[in-house]
Amino acid sequence: GENVEQHPSTLSVQEGDSAVIKCTYSDSASNYFPWYKQELGKRPQLIIDIRSNVGEKKDQRIAVTLNKTAKHFSLHITETQPEDSAVYFCAPSSGGSYIPTFGRGTSLIVHP
Amino acid sequence: NAGVTQTPKFQVLKTGQSMTLQCAQDMNHNSMYWYRQDPGMGLRLIYYSASEGTTDKGEVPNGYNVSRLNKREFSLRLESAAPSQTSVYFCASNPVSGANVLTFGAGSRLTVL
Repeated sequence: GENVEQHPSTLSVQEGDSAVIKCTYSDSASNYFPWYKQELGKRPQLIIDIRSNVGEKKDQRIAVTLNKTAKHFSLHITETQPEDSAVYFCAPSSGGSYIPTFGRGTSLIVHP
Repeated sequence: NAGVTQTPKFQVLKTGQSMTLQCAQDMNHNSMYWYRQDPGMGLRLIYYSASEGTTDKGEVPNGYNVSRLNKREFSLRLESAAPSQTSVYFCASNPVSGANVLTFGAGSRLTVL
């Protein structure tokens, strides 16, 4: 099955700094690359995703970049705010599978 | 449109007791999933149902059973609860329309004493 790793496991930044979380995967057939955000005590929710035919996607302060050759994709958050504090999960999958494989999560802490 | 609804939100069991976690979605999604979440372990798949009438084991199925009652409902049963099953359980659904976009329920916190 797919092997997914996220780095770092914990990321601490000051408000206003940028944050980058990287997800590496093993299945070359993967073609869908989402990021989920889980606030403390809440459910995971999709915040941004990208398909394999696109290299980068932006939505206000967040962006996702994809490097299919190297089999990794990254979440970029600019101008971080305290409300960005959460655990972020990547969950790549291929079109032929119903099962996304979740990374172990990255805990982002934004200090005011 | 409630999305994915899980019950109960909290439950305390004694070792050996049984219980069923209920999950229903009103989005006409084809696939449904049960995950457990433990500190530092991310989301681990227990069972999934690719479509109505089918169920398959995930990464950690031991000690659990599931039923896809109809397209809307997917239940998770613990026949004889063990302390190792203390966890937060999430149900999720997926329309499976070219991308695996999961919508999660609010979670069920289970404690087994």
